[in-house]
Amino acid sequence: GAVVSQHPSWVICKSGTSVKIECRSLDFQATTMFWYRQFPKQSLMLMATSNEGSKATYEQGVEKDKFLINHASLTLSTLTVTSAHPEDSSFYICSASYRAEASYEQYFGPGTRLTVT
Amino acid sequence: AQSVTQLDSHVSVSEGTPVLLRCNYSSSYSPSLFWYVQHPNKGLQLLLKYTSAATLVKGINGFEAEFKKSETSFHLTKPSAHMSDAAEYFCVVRNTGFQKLVFGTGTRLLVSP
Repeated sequence: GAVVSQHPSWVICKSGTSVKIECRSLDFQATTMFWYRQFPKQSLMLMATSNEGSKATYEQGVEKDKFLINHASLTLSTLTVTSAHPEDSSFYICSASYRAEASYEQYFGPGTRLTVT
Repeated sequence: AQSVTQLDSHVSVSEGTPVLLRCNYSSSYSPSLFWYVQHPNKGLQLLLKYTSAATLVKGINGFEAEFKKSETSFHLTKPSAHMSDAAEYFCVVRNTGFQKLVFGTGTRLLVSP
């Protein structure tokens, strides 16, 4: 149980275009979803936290107009990278959480590799 | 504020020998602590977690970790390394009652035949 999927797993786009990444909780309802960014050989950096039906909370230094996050349902969140540039190339990982036994468990998706040419 | 320090960026072991990946944490509250593993170009898999119950935590694939409050440590160990254990390992802290995870910088485990 507690499976999180991401689509696509790998995407190449041209500079200036936008790309959307989906994150789905397959067998549970996620009260909160998180988006992380990981540069090569580095740790995960939290970009934003989103709760279903409300605006995402972005971490300091993350451009909310560039990284649009929508959390329209309890099983789906999307990250749209707008006007992508080569420096946006990265590995994007989402996670989803729900409350279990008075604590929140976070389950991670397999990640999406974005390459901007 | 919470923080995590993984003391080694790389650890190299031979197959069949013990593994020790070190992690120290800092937290203002009672923390929950986790170890995740990431294989190349893959997402994160939870190895084990400490949430204020038993201080010695057993996880998957033979890994275990001991929470030592006096030393603010949560080191990951395995008695005998397998080739398939070669991966990146992240120590993570979360304050109890909160959702935000704070990741360490990661330790790359290399296993030689």
